[in-house]
Amino acid sequence: KAGVTQTPRYLIKTRGQQVTLSCSPISGHRSVSWYQQTPGQGLQFLFEYFSETQRNKGNFPGRFSGRQFSNSRSEMNVSTLELGDSALYLCASSLEGLIYEQYFGPGTRLTVT
Amino acid sequence: AQTVTQSQPEMSVQEAETVTLSCTYDTSESDYYLFWYKQPPSRQMILVIRQEAYKQQNATENRFSVNFQKAAKSFSLKISDSQLGDAAMYFCAYRSPYGQNFVFGPGTRLSVLP
Repeated sequence: KAGVTQTPRYLIKTRGQQVTLSCSPISGHRSVSWYQQTPGQGLQFLFEYFSETQRNKGNFPGRFSGRQFSNSRSEMNVSTLELGDSALYLCASSLEGLIYEQYFGPGTRLTVT
Repeated sequence: AQTVTQSQPEMSVQEAETVTLSCTYDTSESDYYLFWYKQPPSRQMILVIRQEAYKQQNATENRFSVNFQKAAKSFSLKISDSQLGDAAMYFCAYRSPYGQNFVFGPGTRLSVLP
């Protein structure tokens, strides 16, 4: 079974631009979560989607948004990029059920200049 | 809100030796789930081990085992017979039964010395 895939793997953007990141979960996984990972803040939860609905949201400004499609693929969008948005963005998918672990993708490294 | 603390930013261990990584958490819930994840330098996070809070028996997965002390809110990871491939960032994570998201600790960077 293929793992979680994220595209692109690396991205360089300029302040003020917007960016869209993509995540394809493991087949059969309907829950997709997004995390921001930085050296200073560690892993911070952005949001989680299940069956095309945002089910949970972390404490991030409205510039961060996401969506999920009927095939469970998810996209994350960041508008008006700031230097502080430079980070590794990780996507994770899981089966429905609290005991199930999340399977992580390799991440997208976003650099904002 | 739940918090997860890993008080050891960095640890090192000699190959074939045993090392224990610490994790404490703060919660008012009685039932929850705990996980240890490993993030090697290639960045892909993988699950190491999980523990359901209602189970008193400590989870074990091959060379990895946990010491779960519910009253102390402690969830340490023991790696036996350490191997070079164990070198990675290790994250402790908490999952509430009432929410779907995970709360991660800041991580411990483990180095394995040959």
